[in-house]
Amino acid sequence: DAGVIQSPRHEVTEMGQEVTLRCKPISGHNSLFWYRQTMMRGLELLIYFNNNVPIDDSGMPEDRFSAKMPNASFSTLKIQPSEPRDSAVYFCASRPTGEGNSPLHFGNGTRLTVT
Amino acid sequence: GNSVTQMEGPVTLSEEAFLTINCTYTATGYPSLFWYVQYPGEGLQLLLKATKADDKGSNKGFEATYRKETTSFHLEKGSVQVSDSAVYFCALSENFGNEKLTFGTGTRLTIIP
Repeated sequence: DAGVIQSPRHEVTEMGQEVTLRCKPISGHNSLFWYRQTMMRGLELLIYFNNNVPIDDSGMPEDRFSAKMPNASFSTLKIQPSEPRDSAVYFCASRPTGEGNSPLHFGNGTRLTVT
Repeated sequence: GNSVTQMEGPVTLSEEAFLTINCTYTATGYPSLFWYVQYPGEGLQLLLKATKADDKGSNKGFEATYRKETTSFHLEKGSVQVSDSAVYFCALSENFGNEKLTFGTGTRLTIIP
């Protein structure tokens, strides 16, 4: 089991550019989560999917952020246009759907720096 | 709604000291409880869990007991090592329906030799 795979590990971009973060969940895990971690705000849930369908996107900060899950093995988080305050570590995590006692499995994150 | 309150950090201890990181929760039902650990440059990883009252989760010398009467899940270790330096997160999850985990704010632990 390769675990949750995120790419890229690091992204440095200029303000105004589009940024796309990618995630491959663990095979068989039908719930996928996107988190953002900063020193100021800690760990924030942005959005999560069950069976490729977005269930709760109330944590998405604004319209510049969008997330998709076109199939069970791939998800993207897009920021367009990016701003310096979007600088953070973005984590993807997955777990089996409907199993509340099963843990989340996290990827190693994408460290985003917007200059 | 659900919430998790954990001990503010940072916490600094000497090697071989006893560790307690407090965690209390509020939940509408009977959730599962988790402790996650985050090492520098990595994602969170499960440290231990407990799924019902009076269960004790344990791993790598760490323990936590699910106390329904005090709504607590305190993390303990009898003798910490430098390699335990990390950020620790307490979390809860409802057992049915809602898929979300609710996390605490994290406690940074530093162990000095």
